[in-house]
Amino acid sequence: AQTVTQSQPEMSVQEAETVTLSCTYDTSESDYYLFWYKQPPSRQMILVIRQEAYKQQNATENRFSVNFQKAAKSFSLKISDSQLGDAAMYFCAYRFPHSGNTPLVFGKGTRLSVIA
Amino acid sequence: DGGITQSPKYLFRKEGQNVTLSCEQNLNHDAMYWYRQDPGQGLRLIYYSQIVNDFQKGDIAEGYSVSREKKESFPLTVTSAQKNPTAFYLCASSMGSGRASTGELFFGEGSRLTVL
Repeated sequence: AQTVTQSQPEMSVQEAETVTLSCTYDTSESDYYLFWYKQPPSRQMILVIRQEAYKQQNATENRFSVNFQKAAKSFSLKISDSQLGDAAMYFCAYRFPHSGNTPLVFGKGTRLSVIA
Repeated sequence: DGGITQSPKYLFRKEGQNVTLSCEQNLNHDAMYWYRQDPGQGLRLIYYSQIVNDFQKGDIAEGYSVSREKKESFPLTVTSAQKNPTAFYLCASSMGSGRASTGELFFGEGSRLTVL
């Protein structure tokens, strides 16, 4: 069974600084999706960034970027120029197969605090 | 606007009572999912449905039941057999398969169930 591990239950960052959230996963497949979701205090799940495993280039969305290391099964999220609005729970998730309506497997989350 | 609507947002139940959480989507998505969220546990899959009139158990299906009579609707019943039903419940949907699919799940705002 696929598993997703987020080893940092809590992280904090100073406003305007950079922080990296870690995620590792276990799979024997070669083609899959990886995601980072943000859950602010409103509890609405918001997609931050997605990565397709067959693409070697790391995904980037404005201040958010990933470091995708397929061989190491690692998928970290870097938040640059952190803002107060970035404070939230962040969940890493995996989906196989690349095509098909299968569920996402989520990690347990990392709570990010942003210090003014 | 297209989206996923969950109701009620807050629900209180006495022990021994069944309760049904509603989830409706107007995104024309084929697949729908129910996740349970507890502190420190991430999101755990209860049930999912890839097409109408079909659904599969997730990791924690015991004490829950679902139906998928219409594409737009995927209600979740929390039965009296569920030993610890107090939790936050999230409904999600995803579009069809193939490379055109973005692979992501779209989430509702959640329902908070408290058993008194």
